[in-house]
Amino acid sequence: GENVEQHPSTLSVQEGDSAVIKCTYSDSASNYFPWYKQELGKRPQLIIDIRSNVGEKKDQRIAVTLNKTAKHFSLHITETQPEDSAVYFCAASRNSGYSTLTFGKGTMLLVSP
Amino acid sequence: DTEVTQTPKHLVMGMTNKKSLKCEQHMGHRAMYWYKQKAKKPPELMFVYSYEKLSINESVPSRFSPECPNSSLLNLHLHALQPEDSALYLCASSQGGNRGTYEQYFGPGTRLTVT
Repeated sequence: GENVEQHPSTLSVQEGDSAVIKCTYSDSASNYFPWYKQELGKRPQLIIDIRSNVGEKKDQRIAVTLNKTAKHFSLHITETQPEDSAVYFCAASRNSGYSTLTFGKGTMLLVSP
Repeated sequence: DTEVTQTPKHLVMGMTNKKSLKCEQHMGHRAMYWYKQKAKKPPELMFVYSYEKLSINESVPSRFSPECPNSSLLNLHLHALQPEDSALYLCASSQGGNRGTYEQYFGPGTRLTVT
């Protein structure tokens, strides 16, 4: 089955800095890679995703890049704000009518004012 | 409406009790999911329903019994649980179908404590 590795496990930055979280996956058939943000006591919230036919996607301060050859994808957050503080999970999925997400272990991002 | 709702928000049950968790979505999604999340861990997939049929059971113990009465509802029936089953149980849905989008939307979860 799929295995997703995520690094780092914790990341502390100053407000305004950039943050990068990296994930690798094992199943070359995976074709969908979402990122979720989970604040304490809240549900995982989909913040951005990318499909295997795309190399990069951007949404305001958030971007995701995908390297299919290396089986590697990354989340980039620019101009970080304290409200970006949360746990971020990457996931990988092979879709066939439904998506069976395999999650990384998560990265706790702390943005200090 | 892009919301998945779950009831109850919190549940405390003894090991001999029978209880049910409920999940509902009105987005017309045809794939629905149950996940279990322990503290400081990622969600772990338990079950997948596609077009009201059970498509995936990730070797979940039989004390967890899923049910999909219709395309909007998903239940998880609980019986003879163990204390280690205490966790946040998350429901999610996605459009489903081979031409559908892949995005999964999560409900707020039910915080389950087994005593």
